[in-house]
Amino acid sequence: AQSVTQPDIHITVSEGASLELRCNYSYGATPYLFWYVQSPGQGLQLLLKYFSGDTLVQGIKGFEAEFKRSQSSFNLRKPSVHWSDAAEYFCAASGGSYIPTFGRGTSLIVHP
Amino acid sequence: EAQVTQNPRYLITVTGKKLTVTCSQNMNHEYMSWYRQDPGLGLRQIYYSMNVEVTDKGDVPEGYKVSRKEKRNFPLILESPSPNQTSLYFCASSSFSGSSYNEQFFGPGTRLTVL
Repeated sequence: AQSVTQPDIHITVSEGASLELRCNYSYGATPYLFWYVQSPGQGLQLLLKYFSGDTLVQGIKGFEAEFKRSQSSFNLRKPSVHWSDAAEYFCAASGGSYIPTFGRGTSLIVHP
Repeated sequence: EAQVTQNPRYLITVTGKKLTVTCSQNMNHEYMSWYRQDPGLGLRQIYYSMNVEVTDKGDVPEGYKVSRKEKRNFPLILESPSPNQTSLYFCASSSFSGSSYNEQFFGPGTRLTVL
């Protein structure tokens, strides 16, 4: 069955530190991959997406993600975290005729 | 403006009183879906629809109904709400590229409390 795994439920970083959120997928073929962000009290907003081509994709708010086929991963990164980045982050995938699948989410806590 | 709208945004009701949460999108998307979000449980899919008159159960469909009579609308119906349906609900829509589903657009959410 298709699945998306975010192994970290919570991540705590200091403001200004770098960030990496992990995402692994299990699909029959290379899926479309997405990262969404949900700020407190808000809906979900698309950060970035990967369909094909360059495996390093840039998104909004200074985020980037790297697709690694050999590791079935699509990790989200940011070189320097700001306090406003504190939010819930969701990785998602869709592929072929399969409906989109979400990971359980990772809660990012930013310490001043 | 491309958007997904949900109404109401907040609702407090009592056990057993039927309610409907509306969802509408203006992007001509084929795919629509309902999720509920509870602390520590992430997003759980309730029902989805791949097109008009085509709906299917997600992971947590018990106690919910949906219909898709028009492409733009996908209402969520709780025939007899219970307190365990107190949650934050999101509607989302997506287009199909021909080979896969594209990114989902989310509504602002509906905070439901069942007393």
